[in-house]
Amino acid sequence: EPEVTQTPSHQVTQMGQEVILRCVPISNHLYFYWYRQILGQKVEFLVSFYNNEISEKSEIFDDQFSVERPDGSNFTLKIRSTKLEDSAMYFCASSGPGQGQPQHFGDGTRLSIL
Amino acid sequence: GIQVEQSPPDLILQEGANSTLRCNFSDSVNNLQWFHQNPWGQLINLFYIPSGTKQNGRLSATTVATERYSLLYISSSQTTDSGVYFCAVPHSGAGSYQLTFGKGTKLSVIP
Repeated sequence: EPEVTQTPSHQVTQMGQEVILRCVPISNHLYFYWYRQILGQKVEFLVSFYNNEISEKSEIFDDQFSVERPDGSNFTLKIRSTKLEDSAMYFCASSGPGQGQPQHFGDGTRLSIL
Repeated sequence: GIQVEQSPPDLILQEGANSTLRCNFSDSVNNLQWFHQNPWGQLINLFYIPSGTKQNGRLSATTVATERYSLLYISSSQTTDSGVYFCAVPHSGAGSYQLTFGKGTKLSVIP
């Protein structure tokens, strides 16, 4: 069964540094998402992406965050200047090809900011 | 936005017991997903169930969209069922597909 793959599985970074989290969505999916989960809390939506542009974003997704689909297979989340409170598990998800299809999640990247 | 409430927040079961987890949501939805987050943090898709009943092995789910709730049944529980179970629904609003998650039910199955 096709899967969403995320790399790295764990990233440790100094506060203030930039990080890029990578995702390879399921190949025929057209809708892409990033979510995050702070330890012990619920999963929260960050951003959705369709047709090479952001379609929705939450209040969490401020100017330090950006997303990109640099080629036909990868989908990335960049955090420009990390803060301690960015420490969380970040999940990529994809759905499609039609609207309203179930979202499939990757295994997540655990980001630890020191 | 839409509110999602899950109950109970914590559940401890003896291996072999059955359980029912509940998810209530505050607005009409056109889909609903159940996930299992295992102890390693992975989110595993269990069901995509906008309405009706589905079964997958020892697990089954029922969504009654008109009454705004969904139930997840686990029968003959095993220690590998331990983890957190989340339900998630699309955010209110036309054309919005972002999922709103509940806070989850933490299930511990003891031998």
